[in-house]
Amino acid sequence: QKEVEQNSGPLSVPEGAIASLNCTYSDRGSQSFFWYRQYSGKSPELIMSIYSNGDKEDGRFTAQLNKASQYVSLLIRDSQPSDSATYLCAVMKGNNNDMRFGAGTRLTVKP
Amino acid sequence: DAGVIQSPRHEVTEMGQEVTLRCKPISGHNSLFWYRQTMMRGLELLIYFNNNVPIDDSGMPEDRFSAKMPNASFSTLKIQPSEPRDSAVYFCASSRGFGELFFGEGSRLTVL
Repeated sequence: QKEVEQNSGPLSVPEGAIASLNCTYSDRGSQSFFWYRQYSGKSPELIMSIYSNGDKEDGRFTAQLNKASQYVSLLIRDSQPSDSATYLCAVMKGNNNDMRFGAGTRLTVKP
Repeated sequence: DAGVIQSPRHEVTEMGQEVTLRCKPISGHNSLFWYRQTMMRGLELLIYFNNNVPIDDSGMPEDRFSAKMPNASFSTLKIQPSEPRDSAVYFCASSRGFGELFFGEGSRLTVL
């Protein structure tokens, strides 16, 4: 079993719709969870972090965490073509900065 | 402020040659990570350092790979001898902790 699993997609949504990205992780002791965005040919950049169960909102982005289900999700409201990218779920194991990434979900927002 | 600096950006080499990738982390960051990214396997953690000390190198594929961090401002990833299956984008990232990694632009390696 992979440590961090994501649906590779591609996920295609129309402009203005909500895009929903999902991630599961295997290490129940994980404490910190992140979403990174990677444009084609570029390096990953952090867009959201979440540490406790529930929802965390930042502009059009909402991260959701359910530790009991070992599940993390990212919602993008009012999707824009500029949101088209690969979204990487990342999980920090313990407190020693060990950061593992999922394979990423490729999102395409069509005008 | 300068970000994470990696060199070379592109490297094309022949099988059996030694490859050295270099990374300068952001000043003040105490953790440094080496990742490898391919279409098939995604972003894989190879090794990471805290305060210049290697913490976990279990992701290093085999003995052909080695990494060093002689000081807080420099790290190398070496592949010797290189093989075609090592072709990938190698990312270096640094962090102050708390999970926000800052990535370099990557080194695209092609082994013929």
